[in-house]
Amino acid sequence: GIQVEQSPPDLILQEGANSTLRCNFSDSVNNLQWFHQNPWGQLINLFYIPSGTKQNGRLSATTVATERYSLLYISSSQTTDSGVYFCAVEGSGTSYDKVIFGPGTSLSVIP
Amino acid sequence: NAGVTQTPKFRVLKTGQSMTLLCAQDMNHEYMYWYRQDPGMGLRLIHYSVGEGTTAKGEVPDGYNVSRLKKQNFLLGLESAAPSQTSVYFCASLRERGASGANVLTFGAGSRLTVL
Repeated sequence: GIQVEQSPPDLILQEGANSTLRCNFSDSVNNLQWFHQNPWGQLINLFYIPSGTKQNGRLSATTVATERYSLLYISSSQTTDSGVYFCAVEGSGTSYDKVIFGPGTSLSVIP
Repeated sequence: NAGVTQTPKFRVLKTGQSMTLLCAQDMNHEYMYWYRQDPGMGLRLIHYSVGEGTTAKGEVPDGYNVSRLKKQNFLLGLESAAPSQTSVYFCASLRERGASGANVLTFGAGSRLTVL
């Protein structure tokens, strides 16, 4: 089945710093989403981004489907950005209908 | 509009006991998924359903069964619970494959299960 990797696994930032999170996937996908899991465990969708670039406030995401990766940019980080960031892909072929998650990037933003 | 609701939120079981987790969605979504989340391992797909009356295995299906008798409900069952099934379980739903516009996976709040 499709494999999803994320890097880095852990990240500590000073408030106000910028960061880039990466998601690599092993096969072609029909869709990709980014999620934030807050410290209370709630999973919130950030982006639905099968290809191209989208921006939402301080966050932006880029997916290059032909090269099998996606990037999540966080600018001017705030303590409320802390949590775990996941990418999730909707597979194709034998992985069609499955939505597979990467292992996540744990982000801590310190004041 | 409640979205995706999971019950119960917390449960403690003894080894060998059985239980069922209920996921209900009121968005008329076709696809539903059950995941488990363990520390440092992200979310792993247990079983999923592409419509009423259908179920399929995900990445880690052993020890679990599921049913989707009604479109809005997706049940996850543990017939004989084991300590290795201690985890946080999340249910999610998706409108349909190939839908136009954003098709966002919507999650429930999670169910924390401890097996002693």
